[in-house]
Amino acid sequence: NAGVMQNPRHLVRRRGQEARLRCSPMKGHSHVYWYRQLPEEGLKFMVYLQKENIIDESGMPKERFSAEFPKEGPSILRIQQVVRGDSAAYFCASSPWGLAGASYEQYFGPGTRLTVT
Amino acid sequence: QKEVEQDPGPLSVPEGAIVSLNCTYSNSAFQYFMWYRQYSRKGPELLMYTYSSGNKEDGRFTAQVDKSSKYISLFIRDSQPSDSATYLCAMTRMIYNQGGKLIFGQGTELSVKP
Repeated sequence: NAGVMQNPRHLVRRRGQEARLRCSPMKGHSHVYWYRQLPEEGLKFMVYLQKENIIDESGMPKERFSAEFPKEGPSILRIQQVVRGDSAAYFCASSPWGLAGASYEQYFGPGTRLTVT
Repeated sequence: QKEVEQDPGPLSVPEGAIVSLNCTYSNSAFQYFMWYRQYSRKGPELLMYTYSSGNKEDGRFTAQVDKSSKYISLFIRDSQPSDSATYLCAMTRMIYNQGGKLIFGQGTELSVKP
């Protein structure tokens, strides 16, 4: 049973370029969370999605960042016009269905390490 | 003030020692409390979770939650060098159809010396 898959594992972008990060949840999971881990900081929530719906985007920066989870295919976190401050590890976590929509259990992928030069 | 406070360490102990890791929090609405282990340059791995107050044991690991004090702990008995990692506490409240975003502590870096 494959775990959460993320690709690419490492991504280098120049300032002003776009970054696309992909996340395939565990089999049977239809809930995806994205988190960001900045150097010397803890993991910070960004967005929570169900298939074709953004449920909670309270942690997303207001500009340049967007996320989607289409009916078919992986969830994508998109960062437009990247800046050096976007350099971080981006993790997605998937969750099975639970009484509150999603379960409290979240299983993390290996992350994508974004470096902006 | 951060919602979840965790001493970042680093914490260094000899093999076989009992390790105590702790977090405090300010939001009394949190219901689920988790501990994750993260090896260097890897994704967090869910170790244990506890609902509300109480203790939970799993092998060498024991998680404790004291909601009255807003304090959670993870104990590791007979620590091994393979336990060397960063330990993250996380907590959430589940809202129907809104999921439960995790609020993490900063993580404690643990080193177990042979």
